[in-house]
Amino acid sequence: EVQLVESGGGLVQPGGSLRLSCAASGFTLSDHYMDWVRQAPGKGLEWVGRARNKFNSYTTEYAASVKGRFIISRDDSERSLYLQMNSLKTEDTAVYYCGRAAGTTWDTSMDDFWGQGTHVTVSS
Amino acid sequence: DIQLTQSPSFLSASVGDRVTITCRASQGISNYLAWYQQKPGKAPKLLIYGASTLQSGVPSRFSGSGSGTEFTLTISSLQPEDFATYYCQRLNSYPLTFGGGTKVEIK
Repeated sequence: EVQLVESGGGLVQPGGSLRLSCAASGFTLSDHYMDWVRQAPGKGLEWVGRARNKFNSYTTEYAASVKGRFIISRDDSERSLYLQMNSLKTEDTAVYYCGRAAGTTWDTSMDDFWGQGTHVTVSS
Repeated sequence: DIQLTQSPSFLSASVGDRVTITCRASQGISNYLAWYQQKPGKAPKLLIYGASTLQSGVPSRFSGSGSGTEFTLTISSLQPEDFATYYCQRLNSYPLTFGGGTKVEIK
């Protein structure tokens, strides 16, 4: 059974940093691209970024709103995905979900499995 | 960036109703579109990809259509468990933008 479990959320002051983790099980992580998606309170879904797999050199993509502040990494040997969040702003307050992309081509780029999310609150 | 506009943003419907949600892209995206369902406090769930392909395990009352700039998600006969918020997402280039969402509530 595919499972994704996020952790690391919490309360952080503006300007601070936080590292989220996503533990993957039930599938071969190294075969898949992985995403972070967030949802601010009462708002819609916002794609944060993607980490490609080893075959694609673990390259990353980011939304403009987080580029230069957030870093996505992964450790396939630890079956984990990470989101390092720096220079946090109040508008980064959200539930953060990790998602597994079904494949590595555009037509399989949708997230077919999601974690339950972890809450991040940026406030003084 | 290519934007996605969903309409309506809110709709009120009864059990058994046929419901249609529209997603319009600001530029053509071929059929690189997915639909998700999200219930309160839960993670999104993939319903449809490739604009019209039903994800495994999703009831056949859900269907998707469209290509280019206009797409629709249709629920042929609304069931109590279908009351939720629905999002489209484009998958043709980065960033992988979501639409603003359509909340389906009980009339």
